[in-house]
Amino acid sequence: GESVGLHLPTLSVQEGDNSIINCAYSNSASDYFIWYKQESGKGPQFIIDIRSNMDKRQGQRVTVLLNKTVKHLSLQIAATQPGDSAVYFCAENTRNYGQNFVFGPGTRLSVLP
Amino acid sequence: NAGVTQTPKFQVLKTGQSMTLQCAQDMNHEYMSWYRQDPGMGLRLIHYSVGAGITDQGEVPNGYNVSRSTTEDFPLRLLSAAPSQTSVYFCASSYSGQGYEAFFGQGTRLTVV
Repeated sequence: GESVGLHLPTLSVQEGDNSIINCAYSNSASDYFIWYKQESGKGPQFIIDIRSNMDKRQGQRVTVLLNKTVKHLSLQIAATQPGDSAVYFCAENTRNYGQNFVFGPGTRLSVLP
Repeated sequence: NAGVTQTPKFQVLKTGQSMTLQCAQDMNHEYMSWYRQDPGMGLRLIHYSVGAGITDQGEVPNGYNVSRSTTEDFPLRLLSAAPSQTSVYFCASSYSGQGYEAFFGQGTRLTVV
């Protein structure tokens, strides 16, 4: 079956450093991708999205890169802050369930003081 | 503007009991969905709805029923709870069309003993 992401890894970064979170997807037909942030005890929150006709999209302190050749997404967070500590999920729209998404298992980001 | 509201936040059920998880949104979104989140597995789609009166199955629909009588509400029913349904359940809603990122509720933590 299709899958997004790897087993849940943990990334620890020093406050102020840049963070890069990676995600692999397996469905080459997916045309829309989203990164979500989930803090403890809360629902996922939208961070940034990208469509398959783009390679890069920038937001405030965040950048998403899409490499369709190797089916890889990354989320870059600049000047990581303690408030960035959370689990980050990539999600792809495979078109199998309308507008709904297939989520990866997530990456836990820990920001060290 | 409350967004997506889920009730209850916590629930313990005995095997074989039934219950309904409530979800309401006040954003006039057409799409609503139910996901379950298990450790290390990200979020998996249970059922979804593209509008009032229309529902469809997601990746893991067995053991769950849904209905959508109004745009605002999308309840999830467990007819006969099983320990395998112990999970955190998230309801989400989204617009139809461009930029259809999902807005999530705070989740319901369900334990079946």
